[in-house]
Amino acid sequence: AQSVTQLDSHVSVSEGTPVLLRCNYSSSYSPSLFWYVQHPNKGLQLLLKYTSAATLVKGINGFEAEFKKSETSFHLTKPSAHMSDAAEYFCVVSNTGFQKLVFGTGTRLLVSP
Amino acid sequence: GAGVSQSPRYKVAKRGQDVALRCDPISGHVSLFWYQQALGQGPEFLTYFQNEAQLDKSGLPSDRFFAERPEGSVSTLKIQRTQQEDSAVYLCASSRQGGGADNEQFFGPGTRLTVL
Repeated sequence: AQSVTQLDSHVSVSEGTPVLLRCNYSSSYSPSLFWYVQHPNKGLQLLLKYTSAATLVKGINGFEAEFKKSETSFHLTKPSAHMSDAAEYFCVVSNTGFQKLVFGTGTRLLVSP
Repeated sequence: GAGVSQSPRYKVAKRGQDVALRCDPISGHVSLFWYQQALGQGPEFLTYFQNEAQLDKSGLPSDRFFAERPEGSVSTLKIQRTQQEDSAVYLCASSRQGGGADNEQFFGPGTRLTVL
């Protein structure tokens, strides 16, 4: 069975400082991994995805993530936080066959001025 | 173009009532998914359609939950005899093709169900 563990339920940063949201995955085969963002009262939006191509994946709004097989990690980073980045972030793994998504429990990112 | 839409956005039901939640996927999208998101949790898979065929319903929590997509477009998630533990946000997603991790799932805004 596949699963993801998001290591922090809340992360607080100041505007302009780097963001690091941590995710470890468990999968018996090469996984597809995603990060989704959920703003209040809005639908989930795909930030980026890893599907066995380049291990460093660039997404929207300046976010990127690096797939590290040896560490079974897929951490999300951004060099400089913006107030509009405040939201809930989900690390997600999918199985082969069809795209059933398995979500982590989420990390709430708080950005202070 | 229009995204995935869901209705109603909010639903309050008394325990024991039946409810029906509707999802309109993006036009032409073959695959449709339902997820349940409890408060403070990540979404959990309920069921998956490819066109009108329900290929996986392993996530449906009980036989009170039923989903259909009779014409391969609009889908309805029905919950019979609602219980308080059914209170959650129900998310619908669609993707362009069936199968394959390269097909992005586009999510609707969800229906927040509260069972009193």
